Amino acid sequence: DTGVSQDPRHKITKRGQNVTFRCDPISEHNRLYWYRQTLGQGPEFLTYFQNEAQLEKSRLLSDRFSAERPKGSFSTLEIQRTEQGDSAMYLCASSSASVYNEQFFGPGTRLTVL
Amino acid sequence: GENVEQHPSTLSVQEGDSAVIKCTYSDSASNYFPWYKQELGKRPQLIIDIRSNVGEKKDQRIAVTLNKTAKHFSLHITETQPEDSAVYFCAASPGNNDMRFGAGTRLTVKP
Repeated sequence: DTGVSQDPRHKITKRGQNVTFRCDPISEHNRLYWYRQTLGQGPEFLTYFQNEAQLEKSRLLSDRFSAERPKGSFSTLEIQRTEQGDSAMYLCASSSASVYNEQFFGPGTRLTVL
Repeated sequence: GENVEQHPSTLSVQEGDSAVIKCTYSDSASNYFPWYKQELGKRPQLIIDIRSNVGEKKDQRIAVTLNKTAKHFSLHITETQPEDSAVYFCAASPGNNDMRFGAGTRLTVKP
Protein backbone atom coordinates (compact mmCIF):
# COMPACT_ATOMS: atom_id res chain seq x y z
CA ASP A 1 0.00 0.00 0.00
CA THR A 2 1.61 3.24 -1.12
CA GLY A 3 -0.92 5.55 0.52
CA VAL A 4 -0.72 7.46 3.78
CA SER A 5 -0.72 5.15 6.79
CA GLN A 6 -1.39 5.87 10.46
CA ASP A 7 -0.82 3.88 13.60
CA PRO A 8 -2.60 2.98 15.78
CA ARG A 9 -6.05 3.05 14.20
CA HIS A 10 -7.73 3.20 17.59
CA LYS A 11 -6.52 4.30 20.99
CA ILE A 12 -8.41 4.25 24.26
CA THR A 13 -6.73 5.93 27.19
CA LYS A 14 -7.53 7.29 30.60
CA ARG A 15 -7.61 10.98 31.30
CA GLY A 16 -4.19 12.29 32.24
CA GLN A 17 -2.22 9.73 30.24
CA ASN A 18 0.08 10.59 27.34
CA VAL A 19 -0.50 9.20 23.87
CA THR A 20 1.57 9.22 20.67
CA PHE A 21 0.38 8.67 17.14
CA ARG A 22 2.43 7.98 14.04
CA CYS A 23 1.89 8.96 10.41
CA ASP A 24 3.78 7.65 7.40
CA PRO A 25 3.15 9.86 4.35
CA ILE A 26 3.30 8.92 0.70
CA SER A 27 7.02 8.43 0.15
CA GLU A 28 7.66 11.19 -2.38
CA HIS A 29 5.58 13.78 -0.51
CA ASN A 30 7.55 16.36 1.44
CA ARG A 31 4.56 18.06 3.09
CA LEU A 32 2.71 16.50 5.99
CA TYR A 33 -0.36 17.79 7.81
CA TRP A 34 -2.18 16.88 10.99
CA TYR A 35 -5.90 17.48 11.41
CA ARG A 36 -8.45 16.75 14.10
CA GLN A 37 -11.98 15.74 13.21
CA THR A 38 -14.90 15.51 15.60
CA LEU A 39 -18.25 13.94 14.79
CA GLY A 40 -20.26 15.98 12.31
CA GLN A 41 -17.45 18.42 11.56
CA GLY A 42 -14.87 18.91 8.88
CA PRO A 43 -11.19 18.28 9.56
CA GLU A 44 -9.60 21.10 11.61
CA PHE A 45 -6.02 22.03 10.79
CA LEU A 46 -3.51 21.43 13.60
CA THR A 47 -0.03 21.71 12.13
CA TYR A 48 2.00 21.35 8.95
CA PHE A 49 5.54 20.25 8.08
CA GLN A 50 7.59 20.83 5.01
CA ASN A 51 10.33 18.22 5.20
CA GLU A 52 11.44 18.29 8.84
CA ALA A 53 10.47 21.91 9.47
CA GLN A 54 7.24 22.65 11.30
CA LEU A 55 6.01 25.70 9.44
CA GLU A 56 2.61 26.43 10.90
CA LYS A 57 0.64 25.59 14.04
CA SER A 58 -3.01 26.25 14.73
CA ARG A 59 -4.09 27.88 17.96
CA LEU A 60 -5.96 24.60 18.50
CA LEU A 61 -2.58 23.05 19.19
CA SER A 62 -2.25 23.73 22.90
CA ASP A 63 1.01 23.27 24.77
CA ARG A 64 -0.07 19.71 25.59
CA PHE A 65 0.28 18.84 21.91
CA SER A 66 3.60 18.39 20.15
CA ALA A 67 4.41 17.13 16.69
CA GLU A 68 7.70 16.11 15.16
CA ARG A 69 9.01 14.99 11.83
CA PRO A 70 12.66 14.36 12.67
CA LYS A 71 13.93 13.02 9.37
CA GLY A 72 11.40 14.57 7.05
CA SER A 73 9.63 11.25 6.55
CA PHE A 74 7.23 9.90 9.20
CA SER A 75 5.73 12.18 11.82
CA THR A 76 4.51 11.73 15.38
CA LEU A 77 1.83 13.64 17.25
CA GLU A 78 1.98 13.45 21.03
CA ILE A 79 -0.74 14.57 23.41
CA GLN A 80 0.29 14.92 27.03
CA ARG A 81 -2.08 14.80 30.00
CA THR A 82 -5.03 13.85 27.81
CA GLU A 83 -8.46 15.34 28.52
CA GLN A 84 -11.89 14.05 27.53
CA GLY A 85 -12.16 16.91 25.06
CA ASP A 86 -9.22 15.46 23.15
CA SER A 87 -11.40 12.55 22.02
CA ALA A 88 -11.55 12.81 18.23
CA MET A 89 -10.26 11.33 15.00
CA TYR A 90 -6.71 12.51 14.28
CA LEU A 91 -6.05 12.58 10.57
CA CYS A 92 -2.75 12.89 8.77
CA ALA A 93 -2.41 14.01 5.17
CA SER A 94 0.50 14.49 2.81
CA SER A 95 1.14 16.40 -0.39
CA SER A 96 3.98 17.04 -2.79
CA ALA A 97 5.80 20.29 -3.36
CA SER A 98 3.68 21.94 -5.99
CA VAL A 99 1.84 25.18 -6.40
CA TYR A 100 -1.44 23.49 -5.54
CA ASN A 101 -2.02 21.76 -2.27
CA GLU A 102 -3.50 18.38 -3.27
CA GLN A 103 -3.62 16.45 0.00
CA PHE A 104 -4.16 12.74 0.49
CA PHE A 105 -5.43 11.52 3.83
CA GLY A 106 -4.55 8.56 5.98
CA PRO A 107 -7.20 6.39 7.68
CA GLY A 108 -6.92 8.30 10.93
CA THR A 109 -6.38 7.40 14.57
CA ARG A 110 -9.53 7.45 16.67
CA LEU A 111 -8.72 8.57 20.21
CA THR A 112 -11.12 7.96 23.07
CA VAL A 113 -10.23 9.50 26.42
CA LEU A 114 -12.17 7.98 29.32
CA GLY B 1 -7.01 33.31 8.13
CA GLU B 2 -9.25 31.47 5.71
CA ASN B 3 -12.88 30.77 6.67
CA VAL B 4 -14.97 28.35 4.64
CA GLU B 5 -18.74 28.06 4.92
CA GLN B 6 -20.68 25.21 3.39
CA HIS B 7 -24.40 24.79 2.67
CA PRO B 8 -26.60 22.89 3.08
CA SER B 9 -25.59 20.79 6.07
CA THR B 10 -27.90 17.97 4.95
CA LEU B 11 -29.29 17.18 1.54
CA SER B 12 -31.67 14.43 0.53
CA VAL B 13 -32.41 13.66 -3.12
CA GLN B 14 -34.13 10.97 -5.08
CA GLU B 15 -31.94 8.62 -7.10
CA GLY B 16 -31.36 10.10 -10.54
CA ASP B 17 -31.82 13.69 -9.42
CA SER B 18 -29.03 16.26 -9.19
CA ALA B 19 -27.39 17.50 -6.01
CA VAL B 20 -25.67 20.86 -5.52
CA ILE B 21 -23.50 21.85 -2.58
CA LYS B 22 -22.20 25.40 -2.20
CA CYS B 23 -19.23 26.88 -0.37
CA THR B 24 -17.92 30.36 0.23
CA TYR B 25 -14.42 31.37 1.31
CA SER B 26 -12.90 34.53 2.71
CA ASP B 27 -9.20 34.61 1.76
CA SER B 28 -8.67 36.02 -1.72
CA ALA B 29 -5.22 34.38 -1.73
CA SER B 30 -6.81 30.90 -1.85
CA ASN B 31 -6.10 29.30 -5.21
CA TYR B 32 -6.99 25.64 -4.74
CA PHE B 33 -10.43 24.26 -3.96
CA PRO B 34 -10.79 20.50 -3.47
CA TRP B 35 -13.85 18.45 -2.65
CA TYR B 36 -13.64 15.38 -0.46
CA LYS B 37 -16.10 12.54 0.02
CA GLN B 38 -16.11 10.79 3.39
CA GLU B 39 -18.05 7.61 3.99
CA LEU B 40 -18.83 6.55 7.54
CA GLY B 41 -15.71 5.48 9.39
CA LYS B 42 -13.43 6.08 6.42
CA ARG B 43 -10.85 8.65 5.42
CA PRO B 44 -11.76 11.71 3.32
CA GLN B 45 -11.21 10.89 -0.35
CA LEU B 46 -10.42 13.58 -2.91
CA ILE B 47 -13.07 13.39 -5.64
CA ILE B 48 -12.43 16.53 -7.66
CA ASP B 49 -10.62 19.83 -7.34
CA ILE B 50 -10.46 23.14 -9.12
CA ARG B 51 -7.69 25.67 -9.37
CA SER B 52 -8.10 29.39 -9.45
CA ASN B 53 -7.16 29.74 -13.09
CA VAL B 54 -10.27 27.91 -14.30
CA GLY B 55 -13.98 28.49 -13.74
CA GLU B 56 -15.36 25.01 -14.24
CA LYS B 57 -14.17 21.42 -14.25
CA LYS B 58 -16.10 18.24 -14.97
CA ASP B 59 -15.38 14.58 -14.34
CA GLN B 60 -18.15 12.23 -15.46
CA ARG B 61 -21.14 12.89 -13.17
CA ILE B 62 -19.45 15.47 -10.97
CA ALA B 63 -18.54 19.05 -11.77
CA VAL B 64 -17.21 22.01 -9.84
CA THR B 65 -17.63 25.69 -10.59
CA LEU B 66 -15.61 28.57 -9.15
CA ASN B 67 -16.48 32.26 -8.99
CA LYS B 68 -13.38 34.04 -7.70
CA THR B 69 -14.99 37.45 -7.74
CA ALA B 70 -17.78 36.31 -5.45
CA LYS B 71 -15.51 33.89 -3.57
CA HIS B 72 -17.77 30.92 -3.93
CA PHE B 73 -17.55 27.48 -5.47
CA SER B 74 -20.00 24.64 -5.93
CA LEU B 75 -20.13 20.88 -6.39
CA HIS B 76 -22.69 19.44 -8.78
CA ILE B 77 -23.53 15.75 -8.89
CA THR B 78 -25.84 14.62 -11.68
CA GLU B 79 -27.76 11.34 -12.00
CA THR B 80 -27.20 10.61 -8.32
CA GLN B 81 -26.89 7.00 -7.17
CA PRO B 82 -27.29 5.47 -3.69
CA GLU B 83 -23.52 4.98 -3.50
CA ASP B 84 -23.11 8.76 -3.70
CA SER B 85 -24.53 8.91 -0.16
CA ALA B 86 -21.76 10.24 2.10
CA VAL B 87 -20.54 13.43 3.75
CA TYR B 88 -18.98 15.87 1.32
CA PHE B 89 -16.47 18.51 2.41
CA CYS B 90 -15.27 21.52 0.47
CA ALA B 91 -11.95 23.14 1.29
CA ALA B 92 -9.87 26.15 0.31
CA SER B 93 -6.12 26.51 0.37
CA PRO B 94 -3.78 29.43 -0.39
CA GLY B 95 -1.24 27.23 -2.13
CA ASN B 96 1.51 25.91 0.08
CA ASN B 97 -0.15 26.50 3.39
CA ASP B 98 -2.85 24.86 5.43
CA MET B 99 -6.24 23.93 4.11
CA ARG B 100 -9.52 25.04 5.68
CA PHE B 101 -12.52 22.77 5.43
CA GLY B 102 -16.21 23.44 5.43
CA ALA B 103 -18.39 21.77 8.05
CA GLY B 104 -19.64 19.17 5.58
CA THR B 105 -22.87 18.22 3.79
CA ARG B 106 -24.50 14.90 4.53
CA LEU B 107 -25.94 13.72 1.21
CA THR B 108 -28.56 10.98 1.20
CA VAL B 109 -29.65 9.51 -2.11
CA LYS B 110 -32.93 7.62 -1.78
CA PRO B 111 -33.39 4.66 -4.10
